[in-house]
Amino acid sequence: DTAVSQTPKYLVTQMGNDKSIKCEQNLGHDTMYWYKQDSKKFLKIMFSYNNKELIINETVPNRFSPKSPDKAHLNLHINSLELGDSAVYFCASSQFQVVPRQVNSPLHFGNGTRLTVT
Amino acid sequence: TQLLEQSPQFLSIQEGENLTVYCNSSSVFSSLQWYRQEPGEGPVLLVTVVTGGEVKKLKRLTFQFGDARKDSSLHITAAQPGDTGLYLCAGALKGKLIFGQGTTLQVKP
Repeated sequence: DTAVSQTPKYLVTQMGNDKSIKCEQNLGHDTMYWYKQDSKKFLKIMFSYNNKELIINETVPNRFSPKSPDKAHLNLHINSLELGDSAVYFCASSQFQVVPRQVNSPLHFGNGTRLTVT
Repeated sequence: TQLLEQSPQFLSIQEGENLTVYCNSSSVFSSLQWYRQEPGEGPVLLVTVVTGGEVKKLKRLTFQFGDARKDSSLHITAAQPGDTGLYLCAGALKGKLIFGQGTTLQVKP
């Protein structure tokens, strides 16, 4: 009965490889996100999708390509992995888009995917 | 430059002590959220504060939103080892939820 689940939990790969992280939410939420948490624990938004439509693309290199086949799924594909891509990637969802005063839309996070690029 | 500055970044205290974590910004937020993140897990929402001057209590945790809605604080009374974790404040700005850099709290038994 996990709310937001992402796989894999750990991903170790070499520079130059291509990898994907999958995310699914069973909360019936309209909006999904990808966040990157660096080694200093800073959480930075990468992408946001609302009802399968991309609404935020936060100047992320185009080696990162999100795909939302339906509103319950948001996957992240990364091409030509670099050392600096090593981080923990979190998928999240919210009932509505994050807008000021939308106080009933907290984010529900998955447990993260720790990506290590060697 | 961080839009939301949290302080302190690290805090190590003994069980039973009180502590306060601060979240400050030069921007006005319509609401601020506080999350707690434990190792190997994603952040979990603790509370949302909406009105300037608002105070919310969650057991031993007290959250306050500044009158000008630019800052917030989290006060923990009689901290316990189970309070150990990363505390994050977050505010909505231009359709995005922006996070502070977090405060890592360690409560030693």
